[in-house]
Amino acid sequence: EDKVVQSPLSLVVHEGDTVTLNCSYEVTNFRSLLWYKQEKKAPTFLFMLTSSGIEKKSGRLSSILDKKELFSILNITATQTGDSAIYLCAVEGTSGTYKYIFGTGTRLKVLA
Amino acid sequence: DTEVTQTPKHLVMGMTNKKSLKCEQHMGHRAMYWYKQKAKKPPELMFVYSYEKLSINESVPSRFSPECPNSSLLNLHLHALQPEDSALYLCASSQAGTGHPYEQYFGPGTRLTVT
Repeated sequence: EDKVVQSPLSLVVHEGDTVTLNCSYEVTNFRSLLWYKQEKKAPTFLFMLTSSGIEKKSGRLSSILDKKELFSILNITATQTGDSAIYLCAVEGTSGTYKYIFGTGTRLKVLA
Repeated sequence: DTEVTQTPKHLVMGMTNKKSLKCEQHMGHRAMYWYKQKAKKPPELMFVYSYEKLSINESVPSRFSPECPNSSLLNLHLHALQPEDSALYLCASSQAGTGHPYEQYFGPGTRLTVT
């Protein structure tokens, strides 16, 4: 059965800290891994990763995929209170089925 | 523009009511999705339409009835719901086709309460 596991489940840090969130997966015929940030409502798209070792970067956020070890990490540097959210990882497997399997998310709280 | 819109934002309905949720995108995406999200849980896939045809139904009860009238619109018709169906209903869209994986974008959701 396809599975996506995120760790840690929750994390409390202070402003300025750097955090690393983990997403490991077991899916059939991996196609892509997506990271989302969810505050009060809809998940906001952050990154899509398809190839190992290629870092995606947007401001203080970056992410990388390891297809051999079946995981991805999301790094946030110089955290701010506005980074407080749930970070979701979703993996699409089995070519063309549009079926994204979500992990349970990491709840990040950044204290001022 | 990566906008998916959903109406209404909030909906309260009784168990005997019939209501509909609406989702719209103008990004030219040909895959559209309905997800259900309960508090402190990740989104759960309900339905997927690709090229206006239903391609995935995750064994959703028949009191939820999806409809894709055209490539920009997705509806979810609700009838005889139960209180446990109260949740955030999220619509999403992406490009379609087997050539490449595609980014999926979510709408703001409809918060549904069944009384």
